[in-house]
Amino acid sequence: AQTVTQSQPEMSVQEAETVTLSCTYDTSENNYYLFWYKQPPSRQMILVIRQEAYKQQNATENRFSVNFQKAAKSFSLKISDSQLGDTAMYFCAFRHTSGTYKYIFGTGTRLKVLA
Amino acid sequence: NAGVTQTPKFQVLKTGQSMTLQCAQDMNHEYMSWYRQDPGMGLRLIHYSVGAGITDQGEVPNGYNVSRSTTEDFPLRLLSAAPSQTSVYFCASSTGGDNSPLHFGNGTRLTVT
Repeated sequence: AQTVTQSQPEMSVQEAETVTLSCTYDTSENNYYLFWYKQPPSRQMILVIRQEAYKQQNATENRFSVNFQKAAKSFSLKISDSQLGDTAMYFCAFRHTSGTYKYIFGTGTRLKVLA
Repeated sequence: NAGVTQTPKFQVLKTGQSMTLQCAQDMNHEYMSWYRQDPGMGLRLIHYSVGAGITDQGEVPNGYNVSRSTTEDFPLRLLSAAPSQTSVYFCASSTGGDNSPLHFGNGTRLTVT
């Protein structure tokens, strides 16, 4: 069964600094999709970024980028120029490419941006 | 577009009571799912559906039932509530396409006393 591990329950970063959240996963599949979601205190779940496993190029969305290491099964999220609004829980998620369409989530990392 | 609509936002039940959490989406998504979120546990999949008339179990299905009679609706039923079902519940949907993300409802906070 696929598993997703986020080993950092909590992190903090100074405003305007850069922070990296780690995520590892376990799968026997070659093709799959990875996502990072943000959950601010409002409880809303917001898509931050996504990555297709068959693409070697790392995905970027403005201040958010990923470091995707397929062989190591690692999918870390880098937030540059951190802002107070980035304070949130961040969840890493894995999705099969076929069959069940199940999305498997990690346990989350609580990020606090300090003024 | 309303997106994914969950009702109610909050609910308190007594042990043994039953209830249904409602979920509706207006995006014509084939895939719908229910998750529960507990501190330190992340989001755990309860049940999911890949289309009308098709449902399957996720990681933590015990104590919950689902049905999918239409593309739009995917209610979650608690048959006999237990304190262990105190949680925040999320409904989510997607097109089912390869890299399509999940679209989430705003969640339901359920407390079972």
